[in-house]
Amino acid sequence: GAVVSQHPSRVICKSGTSVKIECRSLDFQATTMFWYRQFPKQSLMLMATSNEGSKATYEQGVEKDKFLINHASLTLSTLTVTSAHPEDSSFYICSVRTPGDTGELFFGEGSRLTVL
Amino acid sequence: GQNIDQPTEMTATEGAIVQINCTYQTSGFNGLFWYQQHAGEAPTFLSYNVLDGLEEKGRFSSFLSRSKGYSYLLLKELQMKDSASYLCAVMDSNYQLIWGAGTKLIIKP
Repeated sequence: GAVVSQHPSRVICKSGTSVKIECRSLDFQATTMFWYRQFPKQSLMLMATSNEGSKATYEQGVEKDKFLINHASLTLSTLTVTSAHPEDSSFYICSVRTPGDTGELFFGEGSRLTVL
Repeated sequence: GQNIDQPTEMTATEGAIVQINCTYQTSGFNGLFWYQQHAGEAPTFLSYNVLDGLEEKGRFSSFLSRSKGYSYLLLKELQMKDSASYLCAVMDSNYQLIWGAGTKLIIKP
C-alpha cells in the first residue's frame, strides 16, 4: 500500500492565485519531508526540506516567500505556491525517508500544477 | 562540484538485456539509489547500494564500484512496461540526495 499520499494530483489555477498541495506520511511519523519540482524531461530538483515544528530549509534559488511550507504535524506537510504564474507550472513531488541515515525514500504521487 | 552522469536515452528490444551506467563525483558517499519513473508519475524505488558489488533483485540488478565512482543498473528479460526513465541518485556526506538527469529507456517489440 501507499506510504505517502499527495493531494491534489492535478490542479489548474489562474495566474495570481495560490495553490496548496498536501503531503501525508501514512506508515510512519516523519520529522522530515522533502519537496521536489520536476520540469518536463528534467530530473528532480530539491526545493526544500520540511522539518516538523520548525522552519523549512530551502535550496538556493528557491523563494521561500513564494513557496510556503508548513510541517505542522509528524504526518502532514503542505506546500503553498503563492501568487502562481505560468512559469510555476510543473510537477511537484513530496517524499519521505524511512527512519535511519540510509533510509529509503518514498514518493507521493505528485501534483501537476498548471497555471493559466 | 557534485555531478551525476548517466546517458540521456537508450533503446533496447523486448526480451533482451540492457545496462544503464551512472558515474558520480560527490562530496562523500552514503549510498547510491536507482529509481524508476514512468512518464507523468512519481519515481519508485528500485535499489540501494552502499557496498561494492552486485545486488540482484528479480529481473533487476545493481552494481557499485566506489573506487571508480561507478554504478550500473542491469535489466534482464525486458518487458514493454520497463519503458521508463531510470534515475540514479547518490547520498552525499550530508545525507543529501544528488540526482542524475535520468536515462529514458525505450523498449521496442
